[in-house]
Amino acid sequence: GQQLNQSPQSMFIQEGEDVSMNCTSSSIFNTWLWYKQDPGEGPVLLIALYKAGELTSNGRLTAQFGITRKDSFLNISASIPSDVGIYFCAGQLAGSARQLTFGSGTQLTVLP
Amino acid sequence: DAGVTQSPTHLIKTRGQHVTLRCSPISGHKSVSWYQQVLGQGPQFIFQYYEKEERGRGNFPDRFSARQFPNYSSELNVNALLLGDSALYLCASSLDGTSNGEQYFGPGTRLTVT
Repeated sequence: GQQLNQSPQSMFIQEGEDVSMNCTSSSIFNTWLWYKQDPGEGPVLLIALYKAGELTSNGRLTAQFGITRKDSFLNISASIPSDVGIYFCAGQLAGSARQLTFGSGTQLTVLP
Repeated sequence: DAGVTQSPTHLIKTRGQHVTLRCSPISGHKSVSWYQQVLGQGPQFIFQYYEKEERGRGNFPDRFSARQFPNYSSELNVNALLLGDSALYLCASSLDGTSNGEQYFGPGTRLTVT
């Protein structure tokens, strides 16, 4: 079953606002990844994080690998309509066979 | 370069039947993983293959099996289909068998079991 707690489950924001979502776990992760999934499509990789404390940006997106290696957050600045979709965090557990464990997703809606 | 490709796009099967799903990884990638995504949830890991060998298996029954071919493409087979097998099946491609978790997903195969 799922081992990642992702929040919030859904968000409704105005265009231009900033967004923040996070994932927490009781387990230690070696890698944190953030994906975006549009309806009927596969997840698209947004950001990958490999070291505790690492802060990485991709355009308007910024993500951080928590110091304890048990959490990560994703920020989206100045949201635009095309940011609509479901955002998933995913982690690779320490000692795992490179499989990814996914959160339950954050559904983002951007209102004009 | 082409991304991860999967076939078929959609599939409708009856309970008890079997199904074969196919995946071609990104050119140069040698590892393929399979995930099941039920509506409203995140993907769940099924298998990972690297250099034709199984490197990981998730908590799925033996009805699920997979293999990887010399050209690194892969098949996922599901026997004795149940209604609960209805889901989006995703294939993910990664460069090699290192601990780097970076995986790139295909568009998925939508399986409906009636």
